[in-house]
Amino acid sequence: NAGVTQTPKFRVLKTGQSMTLLCAQDMNHEYMYWYRQDPGMGLRLIHYSVGEGTTAKGEVPDGYNVSRLKKQNFLLGLESAAPSQTSVYFCASRRDGILGYGYTFGSGTRLTVV
Amino acid sequence: DQQVKQNSPSLSVQEGRISILNCDYTNSMFDYFLWYKKYPAEGPTFLISISSIKDKNEDGRFTVFLNKSAKHLSLHIVPSQPGDSAVYFCAAARWGAQKLVFGQGTRLTINP
Repeated sequence: NAGVTQTPKFRVLKTGQSMTLLCAQDMNHEYMYWYRQDPGMGLRLIHYSVGEGTTAKGEVPDGYNVSRLKKQNFLLGLESAAPSQTSVYFCASRRDGILGYGYTFGSGTRLTVV
Repeated sequence: DQQVKQNSPSLSVQEGRISILNCDYTNSMFDYFLWYKKYPAEGPTFLISISSIKDKNEDGRFTVFLNKSAKHLSLHIVPSQPGDSAVYFCAAARWGAQKLVFGQGTRLTINP
């Protein structure tokens, strides 16, 4: 099925460890996004990309890095994980054009940092 | 600065009745408003949207109302069904913007 695939679905990290979350979409979408969802905070934008080779900061970028080397993939990296990064991470993509069409989201990655 | 606010963290409604979810925004430049539905362990899915040139949009049991003067939108679900139990996020964007701004979400529970 076409859509947005996130890998892994679950992960437990120790403080200070690093990891990369992978997002892949097969819809040929230009725009890709990384959000985190925390209780009472809704969905907050971490980083996003408007096309292959581009990235930009969102609301809460500190502690994260991203790369978009291929159009279909958007990677989110945590260089030194902290307990405050315990969250559910969602990747989303959308086609070019007006934003009113909305995003397609992946099913999420639940990350726990201990 | 929370530009999109959903002030009710939760809402409980009896099956068959109307569910009304509310959302307020502060940025008068927003041109598009969307509602997403999220089940546990799944990503949000697009539900319905409305542009600022309209004040109402319907799709089956779902209707979104926009009151620009009050900077308020609402989602009506009639009749409510058990499968509607989920977290609902409202979102907004300006024309030409590259990203959506989301509210905090409201957990809707439909009781049999």
